Amino acid sequence: NAGVTQTPKFRVLKTGQSMTLLCAQDMNHEYMYWYRQDPGMGLRLIHYSVGEGTTAKGEVPDGYNVSRLKKQNFLLGLESAAPSQTSVYFCASSYGPGNEQFFGPGTRLTVL
Amino acid sequence: GESVGLHLPTLSVQEGDNSIINCAYSNSASDYFIWYKQESGKGPQFIIDIRSNMDKRQGQRVTVLLNKTVKHLSLQIAATQPGDSAVYFCAEKGYTGGFKTIFGAGTRLFVKA
Repeated sequence: NAGVTQTPKFRVLKTGQSMTLLCAQDMNHEYMYWYRQDPGMGLRLIHYSVGEGTTAKGEVPDGYNVSRLKKQNFLLGLESAAPSQTSVYFCASSYGPGNEQFFGPGTRLTVL
Repeated sequence: GESVGLHLPTLSVQEGDNSIINCAYSNSASDYFIWYKQESGKGPQFIIDIRSNMDKRQGQRVTVLLNKTVKHLSLQIAATQPGDSAVYFCAEKGYTGGFKTIFGAGTRLFVKA
């Protein structure tokens, strides 16, 4: 099993550009999450999904949108990128809300 | 407020020694605690977890201790190896109107050969 995969691994954007980060998991997990990781801070939850077709806001949702059209995929979109969105983005999945989360390798995004 | 913090941002140990990484939490409603290891350029990797009805749990070379009285969590790594060099995160999870996981900022462990 590949576990949790993320594409792309790196990306540089100019302010105002848009992009979509893709997360895929092959563990048949119901729950999926998008986090951002900034220096000196713990992972912060952006959005999450408790199943196909559902999404919910996390701790820092502003400036991001998500979609979960298929159970195995969770997309994170930035409609108009800002320098404050420069970060490392991690996707994770879990069987249920009280189970361990499996993380992808991350996407390093720089917004100029 | 809710917070998960670490007492030391960095920890340096000699290869073969035991390592102890500490974590404090403030949410009394948290009932599930997890330790993650993050190597450079990679995503966090689950190490060990513990439920609030336990005070100790052992894995392979790792032990997690939970002291609910003082809201303290620790990760002990026995016979630390160079491959243990990484950032270690603690995280707490509890149901407060919805499941929420709070991650600490991390402690960087350096293992000296």
